[in-house]
Amino acid sequence: QKEVEQDPGPLSVPEGAIVSLNCTYSNSAFQYFMWYRQYSRKGPELLMYTYSSGNKEDGRFTAQVDKSSKYISLFIRDSQPSDSATYLCAYSSASKIIFGSGTRLSIRP
Amino acid sequence: DSGVTQTPKHLITATGQRVTLRCSPRSGDLSVYWYQQSLDQGLQFLIQYYNGEERAKGNILERFSAQQFPDLHSELNLSSLELGDSALYFCASSVALTNTGELFFGEGSRLTVL
Repeated sequence: QKEVEQDPGPLSVPEGAIVSLNCTYSNSAFQYFMWYRQYSRKGPELLMYTYSSGNKEDGRFTAQVDKSSKYISLFIRDSQPSDSATYLCAYSSASKIIFGSGTRLSIRP
Repeated sequence: DSGVTQTPKHLITATGQRVTLRCSPRSGDLSVYWYQQSLDQGLQFLIQYYNGEERAKGNILERFSAQQFPDLHSELNLSSLELGDSALYFCASSVALTNTGELFFGEGSRLTVL
């Protein structure tokens, strides 16, 4: 079983839609939970990170963590064409940081 | 601009050859991470250094090695290259030793092995 499972997509939605991206994990040692965004031909950039169960908001982005069920989600409200990118979930423990395979998201104008 | 610099941006070489990828972390960051990204494998953790010392190893092949120098820049050496080593190699840095997950990535070095 992979430590992190993420639906690779691609996911295509119209501009203005609410987007939901999800990941599940198996390692209970993971302490920090992150979402990274990667534009084509660029390195990943950190969008949000949290270490506790619950919701964390940052503008149009909301990260949700459920440690008991071992999943995290990223919600994007009022999606824009500039949100088109690959979104990677990531988890860290004391010894390593593991990334999901990424979900390719396309926002149609 | 993340502040992490990687060179070269692109590299084309032949099977059996050896290459060196270089990374300069953000100013003040002591941790350097190397990742390999290919289409079918996603972003795979290779190795982490902190202040010159190896701290964690991931799925790094024996043909690959890395080091972090006193000025904190790091090099990833790939030898006896195979076609399957073609990938994007990312370097990332962070200020901390512990893995909070806040990494700053460079733009990557794209390696093509022919």
